[in-house]
Amino acid sequence: DGGITQSPKYLFRKEGQNVTLSCEQNLNHDAMYWYRQDPGQGLRLIYYSQIVNDFQKGDIAEGYSVSREKKESFPLTVTSAQKNPTAFYLCASSMTLLLGGRADTQYFGPGTRLTVL
Amino acid sequence: QQQVKQSPQSLIVQKGGISIINCAYENTAFDYFPWYQQFPGKGPALLIAIRPDVSEKKEGRFTISFNKSAKQFSLHIMDSQPGDSATYFCAPLLADRGSTLGRLYFGRGTQLTVWP
Repeated sequence: DGGITQSPKYLFRKEGQNVTLSCEQNLNHDAMYWYRQDPGQGLRLIYYSQIVNDFQKGDIAEGYSVSREKKESFPLTVTSAQKNPTAFYLCASSMTLLLGGRADTQYFGPGTRLTVL
Repeated sequence: QQQVKQSPQSLIVQKGGISIINCAYENTAFDYFPWYQQFPGKGPALLIAIRPDVSEKKEGRFTISFNKSAKQFSLHIMDSQPGDSATYFCAPLLADRGSTLGRLYFGRGTQLTVWP
């Protein structure tokens, strides 16, 4: 049963605490991504990784950190520096091989809803 | 900057009717044009996508119309059903220069409600 798993589904955090969101995929995809979703704003890219031990900042990386030690895993840490962390977080993955000269689309996990108390 | 503008923000359609959602983009380097469907509390799922070398693609009740000169593409849902009630996102893809990675640029979404 191939796919992307995210855990936990719901997460509560006190202000000032760091928290790590898990993302695992068994699709053998090279690329992985983290997005944040807020009501009425679509999805915004936080970080993405093309290969193991390499990652790049997206559009809203401040207050977040990631690691990519294994191809299958791309955990996201929401640090205390993130001023407004309450949101729905989505992990995605894709092939990086260019198909017919063009990149492939992304497949999403079920998401983690983070609430800061 | 907002590279993708999606409209309408919300749409209410009667069962059996046609739902139309539009997406306008700025960057002519986009080279893949997907629509994603998202149900509450779930991740988005690819619904249908089109390459820029064709003007229309149909899969069942779902059709994408693509107008390259106008930099617009739209999603048409024929014979809309209550089960189609969801949020729809256009998310054109741009291949990163110097890499084999593609980035999606999401519209803000359209919440579709289909009344029985």
